Amino acid sequence: EIVLTQSPGTLSLSPGERATLSCRASQSVSSSYLAWYQQKPGQAPRLLIYGASSRATGIPDRFSGSGSGTDFTLTISRLEPEDFAVYYCQQYGSSPPNTFGQGTRLEIK
Amino acid sequence: QVQLVQSGAEVKKPGASVKVSCKASGYTFTGYYMHWVRQAPGQGLEWMGRINPNSGGTNYAQKFQGRVTMTRDTSISTAYMELSRLRSDDTAVYYCARAPTTTVTTFFDYWGQGTLVTVSS
Repeated sequence: EIVLTQSPGTLSLSPGERATLSCRASQSVSSSYLAWYQQKPGQAPRLLIYGASSRATGIPDRFSGSGSGTDFTLTISRLEPEDFAVYYCQQYGSSPPNTFGQGTRLEIK
Repeated sequence: QVQLVQSGAEVKKPGASVKVSCKASGYTFTGYYMHWVRQAPGQGLEWMGRINPNSGGTNYAQKFQGRVTMTRDTSISTAYMELSRLRSDDTAVYYCARAPTTTVTTFFDYWGQGTLVTVSS
């Protein structure tokens, strides 16, 4: 079973700064089948990135994904106030299917 | 626009069952698999299973086999998730989520707003 470990647990930054979130898999993620979601309090997750680096419809280009194998990164180039939220990675390349990381909380410094 | 609208919050006693609905609009309901994902309070996301709205075929996560049943009513573009023999650790927000692919392993492009199910005696 692939376990996804996200780091850091909490990231404290200011608007305008660059955010780098990590997702590490315990085994190689097949075909870079990795997605990133944003979740704000009381809301459902929102798809940001799929296939490790493809932005979902309507997602601003300040969000970018990269990586392959076991190491993946979500980068937010310049933080906007609305970007402060919890971010989850999800692998969908192996069984058991559709497992998620524990999340990274991005908070305002 | 794609919308998934779920039923309201539920409070159930241990041992009871709960059935959550998810009404789809803005797209062809039978053209996309519907998955269910849950989130315990303050916790991460856990995949439960999926249903093919066209055929009614299902796949469930091993953890929920024997306790979960996913169904659909194509006449009203609605998917259902029923969880039986509820325990306190089933307390969670339950989400329906649309998948843009037909594989069991997939990502989710649209989500319902979530339904809080509280299990308490």
